[in-house]
Amino acid sequence: GAVVSQHPSWVICKSGTSVKIECRSLDFQATTMFWYRQFPKQSLMLMATSNEGSKATYEQGVEKDKFLINHASLTLSTLTVTSAHPEDSSFYICSARSLGNSNQPQHFGDGTRLSIL
Amino acid sequence: AQTVTQSQPEMSVQEAETVTLSCTYDTSESNYYLFWYKQPPSRQMILVIRQEAYKQQNATENRFSVNFQKAAKSFSLKISDSQLGDTAMYFCAFMKQGSQGNLIFGKGTKLSVKP
Repeated sequence: GAVVSQHPSWVICKSGTSVKIECRSLDFQATTMFWYRQFPKQSLMLMATSNEGSKATYEQGVEKDKFLINHASLTLSTLTVTSAHPEDSSFYICSARSLGNSNQPQHFGDGTRLSIL
Repeated sequence: AQTVTQSQPEMSVQEAETVTLSCTYDTSESNYYLFWYKQPPSRQMILVIRQEAYKQQNATENRFSVNFQKAAKSFSLKISDSQLGDTAMYFCAFMKQGSQGNLIFGKGTKLSVKP
């Protein structure tokens, strides 16, 4: 149980394109979802926290207009990288917090490798 | 603000031997949780073990155990009988009790298990 599906797993696109990444909790409801960015050989950097039905809370230094987050339902959050450029290339990971009791604070998706040419 | 420090960027161990990964943290909170996550080359984040700060007994999960020293704010992970599949990045993480589930991660330790 507590599976988080993240799609796509890998995307390559041209500079200037907008890319949408989906994060779904498959078998549980998630009031809170988290979006992370991870550079090679580095730790996870929290970008934003999103709660269902409300605006996301962005971490300092993360551009809200560049990284649009929508959490429209208890099972789906999306991250859209707008007008992506090569410096946006990275590994993006989402996670979700279960409404019910869970011994895990967050359930992680498998990540999305984004490459901007 | 809470911080998590992992002072060992890389470590290696021979298969079947034991290795200990270090983690220290800084917080003024009394109630919190500590975690170790494993991230293998597939990059999936896997929860290895968790510890509630109010529990004095060290958590264990099969070959994985922790040495939790609350006063010293230390939370090390011991891996016994290391296996090749244990090769991964290991992240120590802190979560304040009552939070939304926000995790504060250390920078990670790359563990290589050698045959």
